Amino acid sequence: KAGVTQTPRYLIKTRGQQVTLSCSPISGHRSVSWYQQTPGQGLQFLFEYFSETQRNKGNFPGRFSGRQFSNSRSEMNVSTLELGDSALYLCASSPSGGLGKTQYFGPGTRLLVL
Amino acid sequence: QQQVKQSPQSLIVQKGGISIINCAYENTAFDYFPWYQQFPGKGPALLIAIRPDVSEKKEGRFTISFNKSAKQFSLHIMDSQPGDSATYFCAASPSSDYKLSFGAGTTVTVRA
Repeated sequence: KAGVTQTPRYLIKTRGQQVTLSCSPISGHRSVSWYQQTPGQGLQFLFEYFSETQRNKGNFPGRFSGRQFSNSRSEMNVSTLELGDSALYLCASSPSGGLGKTQYFGPGTRLLVL
Repeated sequence: QQQVKQSPQSLIVQKGGISIINCAYENTAFDYFPWYQQFPGKGPALLIAIRPDVSEKKEGRFTISFNKSAKQFSLHIMDSQPGDSATYFCAASPSSDYKLSFGAGTTVTVRA
């Protein structure tokens, strides 16, 4: 099976702009989670979607939002970008059901805010 | 605040040696403890995971030891190889959801 894919891989934006990142989960996986990775804060959970519904949300401001489509593909959006939003954004997918809860990560989207 | 504390921040080991990384947690609701390996420019890759009902799990050269009463778990990399040089993250999640709380990471360097 193909792994988790994320597009674009790299992105440069300026402060105040907005950005949309895309994630395609492993075929058959219905849960998609998003994480932010920075050198200072490490890996932090943003939110998780299952069957087009947000099931869980981390401690990030409302500028960070997401959605999931009927084919399980997910997007996350960051509005009014700040310099501190520069990070690697990782998407992870999991098989449906509670057993294992194994999360498979994509390669990430590297966002640089200038 | 960090729900999972990981140490050391970095370590250097000779080829063939043993790398040991430790993690501790406070949240007793955690019931799933995976370890991830990350190479520069890549996403984290699942190495091995354990649940609290077992005290040890081994997969190849990687072993997780789990101490439920102490709320600690550790990763042992046996016969370390230069290709093991990477950053390792411990993580934990509760039974109720898929939210992973990660440790700060340990950068392992294996010298040939």
